[in-house]
Amino acid sequence: NAGVMQNPRHLVRRRGQEARLRCSPMKGHSHVYWYRQLPEEGLKFMVYLQKENIIDESGMPKERFSAEFPKEGPSILRIQQVVRGDSAAYFCASSPSRTYPSSYNEQFFGPGTRLTVL
Amino acid sequence: AQSVTQLDSHVSVSEGTPVLLRCNYSSSYSPSLFWYVQHPNKGLQLLLKYTSAATLVKGINGFEAEFKKSETSFHLTKPSAHMSDAAEYFCVVSPTGFQKLVFGTGTRLLVSP
Repeated sequence: NAGVMQNPRHLVRRRGQEARLRCSPMKGHSHVYWYRQLPEEGLKFMVYLQKENIIDESGMPKERFSAEFPKEGPSILRIQQVVRGDSAAYFCASSPSRTYPSSYNEQFFGPGTRLTVL
Repeated sequence: AQSVTQLDSHVSVSEGTPVLLRCNYSSSYSPSLFWYVQHPNKGLQLLLKYTSAATLVKGINGFEAEFKKSETSFHLTKPSAHMSDAAEYFCVVSPTGFQKLVFGTGTRLLVSP
């Protein structure tokens, strides 16, 4: 069973361009999470998605950032008009369907995409 | 709000000596707590988790952590370090019933021969 896949692993963009980061969850997982890691910092939650639904986007910047997890295909994190401050490692994680009310499902992390904005 | 504080940004040990990575948490609820490890250019791997069962939690690769509510701590320990343990370690908290993970800033463990 392949793990969480992210591509590209490294992405270089010039200021003002668009960045698209892809995440394929583990087989059988229907929940996807995106986290951002700035240099010398821990990971910060951005967004939590299920198929075709955004469940929690409380960590997403208000502008230029968007995420989707379509019925078919990978989850996409899209950053429009990138700026130097967007340079970071972006990690995707997935988990299987959650059992309510409070059991925890382990999140399995991908290797990350390292975005560099010139 | 939930948060974790990792008290040391770097810890250096010699191979074969004990490891102690410190973590304090802040939580209004009964939290779930985790330790993740990140090897260079790799994704994060779950070492262990505390979810209000036994306060002493055993994880993979000989690591364990003890949940101490009175001290709001969740320190990670290992009796004998191995060279392969050199990595970045993150203490993580999750509010009960929520999927969002809140990460500490990480502790880089260096292991010398």
